[in-house]
Amino acid sequence: EAGVTQFPSHSVIEKGQTVTLRCDPISGHDNLYWYRRVMGKEIKFLLHFVKESKQDESGMPNNRFLAERTGGTYSTLKVQPAELEDSGVYFCASSQPGWSSGSGYNEQFFGPGTRLTVL
Amino acid sequence: AQSVTQLGSHVSVSEGALVLLRCNYSSSVPPYLFWYVQYPNQGLQLLLKYTSAATLVKGINGFEAEFKKSETSFHLTKPSAHMSDAAEYFCAVTPYSSASKIIFGSGTRLSIRP
Repeated sequence: EAGVTQFPSHSVIEKGQTVTLRCDPISGHDNLYWYRRVMGKEIKFLLHFVKESKQDESGMPNNRFLAERTGGTYSTLKVQPAELEDSGVYFCASSQPGWSSGSGYNEQFFGPGTRLTVL
Repeated sequence: AQSVTQLGSHVSVSEGALVLLRCNYSSSVPPYLFWYVQYPNQGLQLLLKYTSAATLVKGINGFEAEFKKSETSFHLTKPSAHMSDAAEYFCAVTPYSSASKIIFGSGTRLSIRP
């Protein structure tokens, strides 16, 4: 079974340009999450989709960031216009719907991340 | 509110020595606690998780962690380090009452000396 995939793996853009990151979750995973790690800092939550709906977007830094998940499958994260402080690694994760019957927690599976560099 | 503190951004041990990575958490509700590992050029991989069952949790690759409520700690250990353990390790927490966001510590980079 394929894991969470992210595209591109690396992106280098100029300040002011637009970049779109894509995440393909594991098939059947209704929950999709975006996180990012700015250089030297901790990994921070950005937002959480349940199917196509935004469940929690409390971590989105500002309105230059737009996340979508049309059809409840893959998701895109657009940064427009990009600023220098947006540089970092953007991770996507997905998990199964509901709660597991065992531990009560459904593991989030992470993708390899997209390294974004804004010059 | 929840938070995680990892003591030491970089830990170096000799091959065969004990690995101890420290993590303290703060949570107003019973938490789920995790250790994730990121090997070079790879994504985050779950090493182990505590979900209110046994306080001593065993994970992959010989790692284990003990949940100590009185100390609000969840330290990661491995009796004998291997060169392949070199990676960055993240302690993380999520509230028991929710299956949403994970809150990560700042990470500890583990180096193994031959």
